[in-house]
Amino acid sequence: QPVLTQSSSASASLGSSVKLTCTLSSGHSSYIMAWHQQQPGKAPRYLMKLEGSGSYNKGSAVPDRFSGSSSGADRYLTISNLQSEDEADYYCETWDSNTHVVFGGGTKLTVL
Amino acid sequence: EVQLLESGGGLVQPGGSLRLSCAASGFTFSNYAMSWVRQAPGKGLEWVSGISGSGDITYYADSVKGRFTISRDNSRNTLYLQMSSLRAEDSVVYYCAKSGHNSGTRLSPFDSWGQGTLVTVSS
Repeated sequence: QPVLTQSSSASASLGSSVKLTCTLSSGHSSYIMAWHQQQPGKAPRYLMKLEGSGSYNKGSAVPDRFSGSSSGADRYLTISNLQSEDEADYYCETWDSNTHVVFGGGTKLTVL
Repeated sequence: EVQLLESGGGLVQPGGSLRLSCAASGFTFSNYAMSWVRQAPGKGLEWVSGISGSGDITYYADSVKGRFTISRDNSRNTLYLQMSSLRAEDSVVYYCAKSGHNSGTRLSPFDSWGQGTLVTVSS
């Protein structure tokens, strides 16, 4: 079954860019996954669906500053021109017919 | 606009039962699989259970199998989670989530979330 690995924390300065990584376990590098954002005290929010090809499809009202990319088993979420409201937890998620839905452990992003 | 509104959370004694509901709007409910996802305070997201669009296929995480039952009423656009034999570790926020795939069978990736409902299991 797929395992999604994320760094527990990341930080970047206001106005800069940051690239968060979610790594799919061996044998699952082609899986489609999604990125979700959870601001403090709020429900998760869907950001985008990301394919192994690097093609991504964002949710409605997700700013252009958010983009996705892929390289092998790695799936990336890049946030440009960081804003204070981008300080949040970011989760990756995928699906498997055996284990059903799997989440990464989440990355806590701090905007300095 | 897709809206998912959970209700039914509250305080329940250990060993007790509770039913959560998720009222959906803004999309053709029966075309999409739905799931329940939970989150303990300060912890990550944990998928709990999912159901196909027609309601005939259900899926459960091992942690709740045999204790929780997912169902849906497509005529009412509502998703349910019947929870029984509740334990302290079930005291978390429960979210309903909509699959982004319109096959009706694929659970994920999710493209919409509800606002969550808190369940507290305590004597």
